[in-house]
Amino acid sequence: GNSVTQMEGPVTLSEEAFLTINCTYTATGYPSLFWYVQYPGEGLQLLLKATKADDKGSNKGFEATYRKETTSFHLEKGSVQVSDSAVYFCALRGFQKLVFGTGTRLLVSP
Amino acid sequence: GAVVSQHPSWVICKSGTSVKIECRSLDFQATTMFWYRQFPKQSLMLMATSNEGSKATYEQGVEKDKFLINHASLTLSTLTVTSAHPEDSSFYICSADRGPQTGELFFGEGSRLTVL
Repeated sequence: GNSVTQMEGPVTLSEEAFLTINCTYTATGYPSLFWYVQYPGEGLQLLLKATKADDKGSNKGFEATYRKETTSFHLEKGSVQVSDSAVYFCALRGFQKLVFGTGTRLLVSP
Repeated sequence: GAVVSQHPSWVICKSGTSVKIECRSLDFQATTMFWYRQFPKQSLMLMATSNEGSKATYEQGVEKDKFLINHASLTLSTLTVTSAHPEDSSFYICSADRGPQTGELFFGEGSRLTVL
């Protein structure tokens, strides 16, 4: 079945540092890939998505590229802010179900 | 953007009672809604897929008689935790499918259930 593997956290960075959160997937067919973010005390919000190979999703300075050859969808940001502290979930969707990774907690200090 | 609302946000109940959680899509019709359970510091576990006008499809290991799901209209799905016990305490999250074109799901704010 479909699955998503994320790097374990927490990831602790200083403000303005470069961020990478790794995500790899296993899927049949051609799934869509997503990054969701959950800020403290809030529900999940879509951060970005990519629906086919080589697509790059971007939002709020975050980027991720759908790499079919490496089955990856790594999340990157050039300069993180304290307000980016949250839990980030990589997810894929095939026919119907959305399958999540375990989530990676990001902590950004001033 | 699309809005999904859950109610209540917090609920505390006594062991043995039943609790109903509502999930509404406020500005679109959702033929399919999903119910997830999230344990502390863990990912979301899909419990069931709720289709309007038909029975829900439960994931393996989820007791359908304990977690009753009803999707009576295109904008409302309900999850009822029957005869709740402390081990049912968790964060329950619903999501709604706006349609196959977008691929993304829209999530409610979640409902935290505490069973005493």
